[in-house]
Amino acid sequence: KNEVEQSPQNLTAQEGEFITINCSYSVGISALHWLQQHPGGGIVSLFMLSSGKKKHGRLIATINIQEKHSSLHITASHPRDSAVYICAVPHLGSQGNLIFGKGTKLSVKP
Amino acid sequence: NAGVTQTPKFQVLKTGQSMTLQCAQDMNHNSMYWYRQDPGMGLRLIYYSASEGTTDKGEVPNGYNVSRLNKREFSLRLESAAPSQTSVYFCASSEWGQGGVGNQPQHFGDGTRLSIL
Repeated sequence: KNEVEQSPQNLTAQEGEFITINCSYSVGISALHWLQQHPGGGIVSLFMLSSGKKKHGRLIATINIQEKHSSLHITASHPRDSAVYICAVPHLGSQGNLIFGKGTKLSVKP
Repeated sequence: NAGVTQTPKFQVLKTGQSMTLQCAQDMNHNSMYWYRQDPGMGLRLIYYSASEGTTDKGEVPNGYNVSRLNKREFSLRLESAAPSQTSVYFCASSEWGQGGVGNQPQHFGDGTRLSIL
């Protein structure tokens, strides 16, 4: 079974700060997912990546396959970025169903 | 553009009662999932349906049953609710990707907050 560890568990930042959230996994994977859970509870998929870097607006996701590590960066953070960010990787068996990290709760203060 | 629709959004049950959580998706996805989310834990897979006509157990299936009614609909049933099943339940759907469902992004419903007294 793949283990997924996220750090930090909680993060408080001031508006405008550059933010980094980390995700480590234990076994080689085909793809890694980053998701965002809004304060109201809804979950949306942000990125799915298997190598290199992806960017969407102020969000950037990177992955290092050799080190089994991914980072999610937020540039020029804003209070509306406040959410829980979740990393997920496919299970080795179970038809590749996702295993989820516990999430990083981000709070951006104005 | 509804995406994944879950009903109900909130429910309170007494121990021993039964209920069915409904989920429907309008994206023509092959695969559907039921997860539960508990404080301090990641999302955990209860059951999934890789394609219409198939269902399989996930990580925490005990106390639940599912039905893939058609390609759009996937329901989760609690036959005899227990306080340990108090949780937030999410339904999700995705395409079936090469090498498994983990290679496709998943689309989530808004969740059902279920309390069992």
